Amino acid sequence: DSGVTQTPKHLITATGQRVTLRCSPRSGDLSVYWYQQSLDQGLQFLIQYYNGEERAKGNILERFSAQQFPDLHSELNLSSLELGDSALYFCASSTSGITDTQYFGPGTRLTVL
Amino acid sequence: AQKITQTQPGMFVQEKEAVTLDCTYDTSDQSYGLFWYKQPSSGEMIFLIYQGSYDEQNATEGRYSLNFQKARKSANLVISASQLGDSAMYFCAMRGTDSWGKFQFGAGTQVVVTP
Repeated sequence: DSGVTQTPKHLITATGQRVTLRCSPRSGDLSVYWYQQSLDQGLQFLIQYYNGEERAKGNILERFSAQQFPDLHSELNLSSLELGDSALYFCASSTSGITDTQYFGPGTRLTVL
Repeated sequence: AQKITQTQPGMFVQEKEAVTLDCTYDTSDQSYGLFWYKQPSSGEMIFLIYQGSYDEQNATEGRYSLNFQKARKSANLVISASQLGDSAMYFCAMRGTDSWGKFQFGAGTQVVVTP
């Protein structure tokens, strides 16, 4: 157990809908990262937050947004869902965000029908 | 820009044998970290080992060791005495200190350990 929690574990929804994925980092970790893992794209970095502020952006679509709250948990919002958004979404956390190891949560498997 | 290359899509290894998983990287960052993660069929990503670019010795963690050759830009993972539970996808990843936390992952290598 990495100490990072993600809810829900599975999510099935329809095209055009909006969903929210939630992540709680390890105790003491200030950085949260979101990744998308799909069969065709592999593991892609989406976005990073550090102590409530956005720090780095990767291949995140405009339909996707994220935030980190004062208690350091983070939410990833996916809207106007398309079939291609079906993937495993990981949250990871680390202490500071520069050189330290990222610990991954169990992931949320999103299926868009 | 950073790039991680894992050229072995899959491999079979017999139980109790050692296996080397290849990873090469490219980066313009002066300082960077290299990581290996394991993803079993259950889906979770498990951290295995870390090597800093300025570390003079190769990292080791139990049965895992990282063969770091900086001049060749390679960071191969060696798993000694393979066990059936080692069957999984293995990802090499890197992060540069100029990249503020952005991990770049390789495509992964699927390892199947046979009895």
